[in-house]
Amino acid sequence: DGGITQSPKYLFRKEGQNVTLSCEQNLNHDAMYWYRQDPGQGLRLIYYSQIVNDFQKGDIAEGYSVSREKKESFPLTVTSAQKNPTAFYLCASLPGQRGTEAFFGQGTRLTVV
Amino acid sequence: SQQGEEDPQALSIQEGENATMNCSYKTSINNLQWYRQNSGRGLVHLILIRSNEREKHSGRLRVTLDTSKKSSSLLITASRAADTASYFCATDGQGAQKLVFGQGTRLTINP
Repeated sequence: DGGITQSPKYLFRKEGQNVTLSCEQNLNHDAMYWYRQDPGQGLRLIYYSQIVNDFQKGDIAEGYSVSREKKESFPLTVTSAQKNPTAFYLCASLPGQRGTEAFFGQGTRLTVV
Repeated sequence: SQQGEEDPQALSIQEGENATMNCSYKTSINNLQWYRQNSGRGLVHLILIRSNEREKHSGRLRVTLDTSKKSSSLLITASRAADTASYFCATDGQGAQKLVFGQGTRLTINP
């Protein structure tokens, strides 16, 4: 089955630690996205990538980093510079052409302990 | 910045009634999409309307788009308890291909 997979589902981070959230898709989509969602809020764009080896900052990129070495994978690292990382993180992918729907993973809930 | 603002933030109706949610946005768009999110889950695509379309239907869903007012509405007819979820509009603007989401409407259908 084609889809987009995020792991882990739950992640706990100690203060000062970097953690990496995984996002993998087998839909052959060109574009991939990371969003952050706080309780009762909408989605805010962290980073996005439209082709391999290229990515752009979204609205709230500070304290986060990404890589896009393979078309299928777009991992997000939450660094110690992100002062309030507790949130629900969602990964999405889109085909290259405009006017198509996005597919979302099931999310990773990150908690700072 | 979040492109869309949704109204109302929360909506509670009885099963069988119709639910209407509104979305306003700020800049020119290629298309506008509506998504549904069950609590603690990912988003699921519901319907897409292009900037040159004014109305679109899919099952019990009806979406309208008014580009002159930069607004869209989602109507769910004959609501069911299973429709309880958060609903988000997302716009795909003129520049890089990225979806910008609104704050969402939390819909509760009471049996």
